[in-house]
Order: sequence, then C-alpha cells, then structure tokens
Amino acid sequence: GDSVTQMEGPVTLSEEAFLTINCTYTATGYPSLFWYVQYPGEGLQLLLKATKADDKGSNKGFEATYRKETTSFHLEKGSVQVSDSAVYFCALNSGSARQLTFGSGTQLTVLP
Amino acid sequence: KAGVTQTPRYLIKTRGQQVTLSCSPISGHRSVSWYQQTPGQGLQFLFEYFSETQRNKGNFPGRFSGRQFSNSRSEMNVSTLELGDSALYLCASSLADGATNEKLFFGSGTQLSVL
Repeated sequence: GDSVTQMEGPVTLSEEAFLTINCTYTATGYPSLFWYVQYPGEGLQLLLKATKADDKGSNKGFEATYRKETTSFHLEKGSVQVSDSAVYFCALNSGSARQLTFGSGTQLTVLP
Repeated sequence: KAGVTQTPRYLIKTRGQQVTLSCSPISGHRSVSWYQQTPGQGLQFLFEYFSETQRNKGNFPGRFSGRQFSNSRSEMNVSTLELGDSALYLCASSLADGATNEKLFFGSGTQLSVL
C-alpha cells in the first residue's frame, strides 16, 4: 500500500537557519504530494503541493520539488523564523483526492 | 467565510460508552472527510462522505461510523469505546468539484479521551 516516510524529529534550529525536512514515498500510480503544517491547538493547513514530477510547490518561503526518480518531496526554507515552529506533515493521495496518506510528522522548533 | 467547525472541542468518556462528534464544513463544500490523529499511529484516514453517501473508508473497525446530512454537516460515531480510541479526530471539507487543485480544509479537531 501507499506510505510516506518522514525525517524524524524533533528538529531545533536557530532563527535564520536553513531548513530541510526529508520526505520519501511509496505509491502506485502518480500521486499528488503535499506538505501540511499544524500549529499548536489547531488543525492542519495546506502549506504547498505538487501534482506531477518535477513540479515545485512553494508558499511563504517554503519549497518542495516532486522528484519521481528518487520518490522524494523534501521541504526546504532558506531562513526560518520563530513563527515557523510547528509540526510538518508530508502526505500523498493516489486514489481519491480526499484520502490522504500522511507521514509521521516532524516537530520543528525555531529559537530566537 | 467561516472555516470548518468541529464540536465539541474536548470530550471525556469511559470505556464501553459511545460518542458522537460533529463537523460543519465550509459553506458550499460537499465533501467531508474524517481522520484520527494519535501519537503512535499518526494521522489515519477514517472515511469520506459526499452527498450523504460514504465514498471511501479507511481500515478501521465497524465501531467507527459516520453520516452526512443534506446540508453537508457530518457526524461520526464511535461505539463501545476502547482506551485506544483516545485521539484527536479531525474533519476536513472540500468542494469536491473535480478540480485538479482541490484543497482540503481542516477543522481544529475534537480531542477525545477515553478513561
């Protein structure tokens, strides 16, 4: 079945540091790939998405590129802020558009 | 525009009881999906409802059920609660209009504790 493997956390960075959170996947067909973010006490918010190979999703300074050859969708940001502290989830859908398979989540803490 | 509303926010039950959680989607959204979030298993898909019909179901026992009303509001029910059912239950709504850039909007969840 489909699965998503995410870099284990927690990750602690200083403000303005470079962020990478690794995500690899296993899926049949050609899934769409997503990064969701969950702030404390809140539900998930879509951060970015990519629907086909070599697509780059970007939002709020975060970027991720759909790499079919390595089955990866790593999240990057050049300069993190304290406000980026949250849990980040990599996800895919390869069947129904509304049935997502999530990774285990990566807790990010950014220190001032 | 109001977001996805889930009630109640917190719930405490004892083993063997049953519970009903409610989700009001964003106005105009026709699909409602439910997810269970636990520290051990992470986020897992429960089921999806569209036009009052269950369209997809995850790998959960029959104790977990749901329904959708004509106004797209949805409820999920868990019967004969077990300690392992303690989790954050998230609801997500979407337009379900077939667009390739379809987006899920999540509520803040209902935190269920089973004692």
